[in-house]
Amino acid sequence: GAVVSQHPSRVICKSGTSVKIECRSLDFQATTMFWYRQFPKQSLMLMATSNEGSKATYEQGVEKDKFLINHASLTLSTLTVTSAHPEDSSFYICSARVPLGLAGESSGANVLTFGAGSRLTVL
Amino acid sequence: QKEVEQNSGPLSVPEGAIASLNCTYSDRGSQSFFWYRQYSGKSPELIMFIYSNGDKEDGRFTAQLNKASQYVSLLIRDSQPSDSATYLCAAEDGGAQKLVFGQGTRLTINP
Repeated sequence: GAVVSQHPSRVICKSGTSVKIECRSLDFQATTMFWYRQFPKQSLMLMATSNEGSKATYEQGVEKDKFLINHASLTLSTLTVTSAHPEDSSFYICSARVPLGLAGESSGANVLTFGAGSRLTVL
Repeated sequence: QKEVEQNSGPLSVPEGAIASLNCTYSDRGSQSFFWYRQYSGKSPELIMFIYSNGDKEDGRFTAQLNKASQYVSLLIRDSQPSDSATYLCAAEDGGAQKLVFGQGTRLTINP
């Protein structure tokens, strides 16, 4: 259980265009999802926390008008990179909290399960 | 700034030996800690999580937590070439309900 599906896995686009990435929780409801970005040989950087039915919470330094997040349902969050530029090329990964019970033991730990990631290349 | 520190490596271990990965964290309020494995070009996958002081074992993996020293470790016994990956340590920022990741340790198991 606790599978997060992310699409597309790879996308190549021209500079100035917009790209949408979808993240779905397949067998559980996710009121909160997290969007990360990872540059080569670097760690995960949290971009924003996506909250179902409300505005996303962005980390310091992340442009909310450039990285639009929509969490319209309990199973779907989308990240749209608007007017993409080559410096936006990166590996984008979404994640969701695994509900208690699906994490393998009862605890209060906020276990995250990750989508497969989307590699964006902006030409 | 809440931080999680790891040695970036690379750490090379011969096949069959024990690999030891270490992590320290700055936030004394953190209660839960996680180890993720990430293969090149892939997303992270959970190995273990721990929230009580002491050891927690799962197969070949043992997580160790020492809250007084703010130290978390992961031991991999009988290391296999398939264990070669980057291992990410994460601590829960309880106040913000999110995970803070370390920079990861690249582990190579040599046949």
